[in-house]
Amino acid sequence: ETGVTQTPRHLVMGMTNKKSLKCEQHLGHNAMYWYKQSAKKPLELMFVYNFKEQTENNSVPSRFSPECPNSSHLFLHLHTLQPEDSALYLCASSQDTVEEEQFFGPGTRLTVL
Amino acid sequence: GQQVMQIPQYQHVQEGEDFTTYCNSSTTLSNIQWYKQRPGGHPVFLIQLVKSGEVKKQKRLTFQFGEAKKNSSLHITATQTTDVGTYFCRGEGIYGGSQGNLIFGKGTKLSVKP
Repeated sequence: ETGVTQTPRHLVMGMTNKKSLKCEQHLGHNAMYWYKQSAKKPLELMFVYNFKEQTENNSVPSRFSPECPNSSHLFLHLHTLQPEDSALYLCASSQDTVEEEQFFGPGTRLTVL
Repeated sequence: GQQVMQIPQYQHVQEGEDFTTYCNSSTTLSNIQWYKQRPGGHPVFLIQLVKSGEVKKQKRLTFQFGEAKKNSSLHITATQTTDVGTYFCRGEGIYGGSQGNLIFGKGTKLSVKP
């Protein structure tokens, strides 16, 4: 247990659905991250939030929309996804900056039909 | 663009044998982190190396950062079945703390035969 929780753990959705992934950290950290982990590909950093402000968007398609209402919660809103978006989506947090140790949540296994 | 090549992609060893995975960057890194991900699990931070030529040890694990800060290795002595998982590195480019400079290796999947 790393202090970072994610829900749901598994999600199956159609291409026309709208769903949201939730991440919560109980570590008092100020930075939170969304990663995508696809089979046989390196971990991909999607979004970074520092003190609730988005500081990085690594060319992520607009069908992925992050939201960070406070330092403890991070959401990833999904709409009109494609089958190639099926992957494990990991949330992580660190104390303040990306240079520090990151603590990962268990991930949400997403399948887009 | 910046890349980190990690080799080998897979490694099968007999319990008790040693194991090494290597990360090689196309550019100089400010630091490198190593993570372990058990099958079905999430990445867990192992260590961070910052200094040129740095060597750190954690029990049977030895981490090295090259003199040029472009390569790194993780060596496990006398593997155990609990070492099973994917080990991957994460490099950070030298140009400031921009998150866009984070580069991940693809990982080395280690399996250990009892």
